[in-house]
Amino acid sequence: GENVEQHPSTLSVQEGDSAVIKCTYSDSASNYFPWYKQELGKRPQLIIDIRSNVGEKKDQRIAVTLNKTAKHFSLHITETQPEDSAVYFCAASKGSGGSNYKLTFGKGTLLTVNP
Amino acid sequence: KAGVTQTPRYLIKTRGQQVTLSCSPISGHRSVSWYQQTPGQGLQFLFEYFSETQRNKGNFPGRFSGRQFSNSRSEMNVSTLELGDSALYLCASSFLERETQYFGPGTRLLVL
Repeated sequence: GENVEQHPSTLSVQEGDSAVIKCTYSDSASNYFPWYKQELGKRPQLIIDIRSNVGEKKDQRIAVTLNKTAKHFSLHITETQPEDSAVYFCAASKGSGGSNYKLTFGKGTLLTVNP
Repeated sequence: KAGVTQTPRYLIKTRGQQVTLSCSPISGHRSVSWYQQTPGQGLQFLFEYFSETQRNKGNFPGRFSGRQFSNSRSEMNVSTLELGDSALYLCASSFLERETQYFGPGTRLLVL
């Protein structure tokens, strides 16, 4: 089955710096890659996602890049703010045609933004 | 639209008991997935339902089961609870397959 590795497990940055979280996946058939942010005691919230026909996607301070050949994708957060502090999860799925649709998650990255 | 809701939010059970958790998806969403979240294992997929049919199942024992009703609401059941079943159980809904999944607040289960 699919396996998603996420690094680093913890990341501490100063406010205003950039943060990068990287994930690799094992199944070349995976075609959908979302990123979720989970604050303490709250539900995971989708912050950005990318599909396999796109190499990069950006939404304000957040961007995701995908390298299908290397089977890895990354989350980039620029100009970090204290409210960006949370656990970030990457995930992969190969949903197609109503079957085999499930998200396989990385173990998460605890991001701490120091004021 | 109202978000995904889950009931109850907290549960305390003892070993050997069974438990039923409920998930109401976003209105119009037909796919409901369940995940178990623990500090050690992270988020692990349990199963996914679409139009009352289980389409995919994760690597969990048969004690974990679920169902989906015609209104897309879903329940999951865990029988013969074990200490290791203590976790946050999250459900997520999406309109169709390959669409964005939106998570509920979770049910925190503690097995004593």
